[in-house]
Amino acid sequence: DAGITQSPRYKITETGRQVTLMCHQTWSHSYMFWYRQDLGHGLRLIYYSAAADITDKGEVPDGYVVSRSKTENFPLTLESATRSQTSVYFCASSAINSPLHFGNGTRLTVT
Amino acid sequence: DQQVKQNSPSLSVQEGRISILNCDYTNSMFDYFLWYKKYPAEGPTFLISISSIKDKNEDGRFTVFLNKSAKHLSLHIVPSQPGDSAVYFCAEGYAGNNRKLIWGLGTSLAVNP
Repeated sequence: DAGITQSPRYKITETGRQVTLMCHQTWSHSYMFWYRQDLGHGLRLIYYSAAADITDKGEVPDGYVVSRSKTENFPLTLESATRSQTSVYFCASSAINSPLHFGNGTRLTVT
Repeated sequence: DQQVKQNSPSLSVQEGRISILNCDYTNSMFDYFLWYKKYPAEGPTFLISISSIKDKNEDGRFTVFLNKSAKHLSLHIVPSQPGDSAVYFCAEGYAGNNRKLIWGLGTSLAVNP
């Protein structure tokens, strides 16, 4: 099915561990985004990508790394997870001048 | 400091009546405004948008109004249906530049049968 999928849906990890959240889209959208959603904050942009091999920081990039070797995939890596990174993470994609399409999110808990 | 404010965290409406969700913004340079709907355990889905050159945009039961002088955006749902029960987010930014979107905190709408 066409769409945008995130995996895993739920993840519990320990402080200091590395964890990677996956995002895959089948629309061949140029743009991909990672957001986090926390209580008391609107969606905040972590990183975005305008095309394969082109990525840039968003509002809250510290502690995160992204890569985009293929148009359809945009993984987000927490290099050394901290409790403050407990959040719901949403991946999104869009074509040029089009609204964002979101995945169903990954709920990450860092203990 | 919230640039985009949805002052009502929740709203309850009877089925068949009008739902009005509101959003205030501070940046007068924004020229692109959107509403998204979110069900539990799902990602936000795009609902409707409006550019700053318009003051109204309709799509079926959903109408978005933009009052630029008041920096106010509203979403009207008529008639409201139980399936409309969700969290609604407004977002503002610049046309063609999704990476600059600023999001509100959301309003949880409950439509009661």
